[in-house]
Amino acid sequence: DAMVIQNPRYQVTQFGKPVTLSCSQTLNHNVMYWYQQKSSQAPKLLFHYYDKDFNNEADTPDNFQSRRPNTSFCFLDIRSPGLGDAAMYLCATSRGLAGVLEQYFGPGTRLTVT
Amino acid sequence: AQKITQTQPGMFVQEKEAVTLDCTYDTSDPSYGLFWYKQPSSGEMIFLIYQGSYDQQNATEGRYSLNFQKARKSANLVISASQLGDSAMYFCAMREFVGNEKLTFGTGTRLTIIP
Repeated sequence: DAMVIQNPRYQVTQFGKPVTLSCSQTLNHNVMYWYQQKSSQAPKLLFHYYDKDFNNEADTPDNFQSRRPNTSFCFLDIRSPGLGDAAMYLCATSRGLAGVLEQYFGPGTRLTVT
Repeated sequence: AQKITQTQPGMFVQEKEAVTLDCTYDTSDPSYGLFWYKQPSSGEMIFLIYQGSYDQQNATEGRYSLNFQKARKSANLVISASQLGDSAMYFCAMREFVGNEKLTFGTGTRLTIIP
């Protein structure tokens, strides 16, 4: 089945140690998103790619970076994780940016910072 | 200003009963879409139903229907004949069509179905 895959499902990293989360999709969607979701909160958009065009949300910390080497893959890099970065990170895709198009989410990666 | 408001942080419903999850929204854009997502404890966000601002009829998808009242800016999700597997967090979200790619989520409602 076509889907959005996130690896790993659970990631533990040390305070200040760089970590990379990965997302892949078999839907051939143009848009890929990264969300951060803290416990009992709504998902918060960090950034998205429309093809190779990168769009950063104004309040996304500089500590968070992203790469999209091709249509299928997108990575979230956290350069120096702090305790406040512990959260669920959700990747999503969409065929385009038109408002009617729903986003398809992966299962998420739960990040723990020790 | 809060764009999406879900006033029910938690709900308990008896199995097989219908349940309504409330959602109100705020926008000045005449063109927008409203979405409901389900998030089980596993974490994955599952798309349930979509309503466009110009749609004349309320959206339905199986046991899910959306009670869209445009003048009141409400988009409540109705789940008929609830099942134990419906226990999850439910998020209402909005996407404004004009120059905005962002899906804005409400704070969610945790639904628990009681056997």
